[in-house]
Order: sequence, then C-alpha cells, then structure tokens
Amino acid sequence: SAVISQKPSRDICQRGTSLTIQCQVDSQVTMMFWYRQQPGQSLTLIATANQGSEATYESGFVIDKFPISRPNLTFSTLTVSNMSPEDSSIYLCSVDLGNYGYTFGSGTRLTVV
Amino acid sequence: DAKTTQPPSMDCAEGRAANLPCNHSTISGNEYVYWYRQIHSQGPQYIIHGLKNNETNEMASLIITEDRKSSTLILPHATLRDTAVYYCIVRGSSNTGKLIFGQGTTLQVKP
Repeated sequence: SAVISQKPSRDICQRGTSLTIQCQVDSQVTMMFWYRQQPGQSLTLIATANQGSEATYESGFVIDKFPISRPNLTFSTLTVSNMSPEDSSIYLCSVDLGNYGYTFGSGTRLTVV
Repeated sequence: DAKTTQPPSMDCAEGRAANLPCNHSTISGNEYVYWYRQIHSQGPQYIIHGLKNNETNEMASLIITEDRKSSTLILPHATLRDTAVYYCIVRGSSNTGKLIFGQGTTLQVKP
C-alpha cells in the first residue's frame, strides 16, 4: 500500500489567516481526495484533486475557501482560507489504490482561535 | 452511491467474535461494499471489501447476503486494539466512485 505523509500534523491558527496543508504520496496516483472531520463527526469529502485539471468540489465546499493544488502525481495541497473557529477540524488526504481501497494520511488537526 | 445504515454503537468482549451489521438495501449491481475503521485520532484504515462473494483476509471476514442488501463484518477474536469506529461504505466500481462516509458503528471491546 502507499505511504502518505501529511504536514503539518497539527496547528493553531488565528482567525482570518490561511493554512496550507501538504500531502505527499510515495507512488504516483491519479486521484487524491481531501476530507474534513469536524469534532465528534464522521468524515466529509471536500474535493477530488486530479493532476492537470481543476479540483472537483462537493456540495457545500468552494474553491475560494478551500483552494487545492495538484502539481504532479505524488503531491497535493489544500489551503483553508480566511479561517474561522468553525474551520477547526481534522483535515485528511487520501489516495485511491484501486482494488486495495483508499489509503489515508494521518491528518492535520487544525484549531482556529 | 447507495446509502448504508449501521447501529451507532456495539460492545464486544475481548477474545470473542465481533459481528458488525450493515444495511445497504439500495445497492446496485456494480457497487462494492467496503469496510474501514478509524481508531481514535488516526486516519481511517482499510479493512476489506467485496462485491457478492464472502471475503476473508488477515484482519476480518465479510459476509454479504445473497440479495446483497446487507452485510456483516466479522472480527473473529476481538482485542482491545480493535476498539474503533467502523464504517460500512458502498462504492461504485468506476475510478470516479467516491468514498462517502456515514456515521459508522463505534465498537467498544471490553476486557
């Protein structure tokens, strides 16, 4: 299975600022996915990031708030922009390994104060 | 993708089999059943998946009913480290099939 490195593992940020989360995979993958997990809740898919094209966002998520980059087949970033306390969550990236299901990073625990 | 229904919580005694049910009555013919678990503060971990035949791997067994409207994940000898939230997810076979998480079942393994 693939190994995913996600950075930072946690951060505390001031409201109104932005944080960029990095996701590095040790093999080339077509699609990468970004999820949010609010406190005590399940995972919610934010967007799907394909290399060479615009990310596809799920209902309720917009590019201005969560811009995503996918410069190559092993790397992606998610930016949480103009943060408010409601953005305090765990953000996770994942990749689709086909018959072996998705592999997830260890997540970024974000606290906005 | 089809929706799934799982009990919110279950208990299991250490060393006993844990049987986690999942209903997916609207599943279509090309959709797989996937199981993941999330141990506290970690990313979800893939367990097993199947289409219509029962499946077994080193972690668990997956039993899918003949009509495919429900399934059961079996952890044959639960340990305290199996305490986690278990998610049953139905996903299409295409590369664009997204993994959509429901609320899952919180399994508490007790000594």
